[in-house]
Amino acid sequence: GENVEQHPSTLSVQEGDSAVIKCTYSDSASNYFPWYKQELGKRPQLIIDIRSNVGEKKDQRIAVTLNKTAKHFSLHITETQPEDSAVYFCAARAMNRDDKIIFGKGTRLHILP
Amino acid sequence: NAGVTQTPKFQVLKTGQSMTLQCAQDMNHNSMYWYRQDPGMGLRLIYYSASEGTTDKGEVPNGYNVSRLNKREFSLRLESAAPSQTSVYFCASSDDRAPSLYFGAGTRLSVL
Repeated sequence: GENVEQHPSTLSVQEGDSAVIKCTYSDSASNYFPWYKQELGKRPQLIIDIRSNVGEKKDQRIAVTLNKTAKHFSLHITETQPEDSAVYFCAARAMNRDDKIIFGKGTRLHILP
Repeated sequence: NAGVTQTPKFQVLKTGQSMTLQCAQDMNHNSMYWYRQDPGMGLRLIYYSASEGTTDKGEVPNGYNVSRLNKREFSLRLESAAPSQTSVYFCASSDDRAPSLYFGAGTRLSVL
């Protein structure tokens, strides 16, 4: 079955700097890759997603890149702000085969003042 | 439009007790999911249901059963709770038009 690895588990960056979180997946049938943000005590919420027919997607300060050949995808946050502090999860889904959505173990992002 | 609603929000059980976690969605989604979240382990899939009348095991199904009662409702049952099932449980839904997950607020379960 699908296995999603996420690195690093913890990341601290200075406010205003960029943060990058990386994920790899094992199932070549996976074709949908969402990223979720979870603030303390709250539910995970989608922040950006990418499908396998594109290599990059951007939404304001957030971007995701996908390398299907290498089976890895990354989240990039630029000009980080205190409200970016949270846990971020990547996930993978093979939409044409089944509805399983498998998550990475998460990255705790700390934005330092 | 409430989205995904889970009950209860909190529960304390003794080892060996049983309980059912309820989940309902009002977005007409086909797929529903149960995840558990433990520190450092991320979100692990327990069971999922691609459509009414079907259920499939996820990554960690042992000790749990599920019922897809109708398109709206997907319940998770612990027949004989164990301390290892202490966790936060999230229900979620999605479909092909909206393939990302919409999560409920979660149920914090403690098994003593």
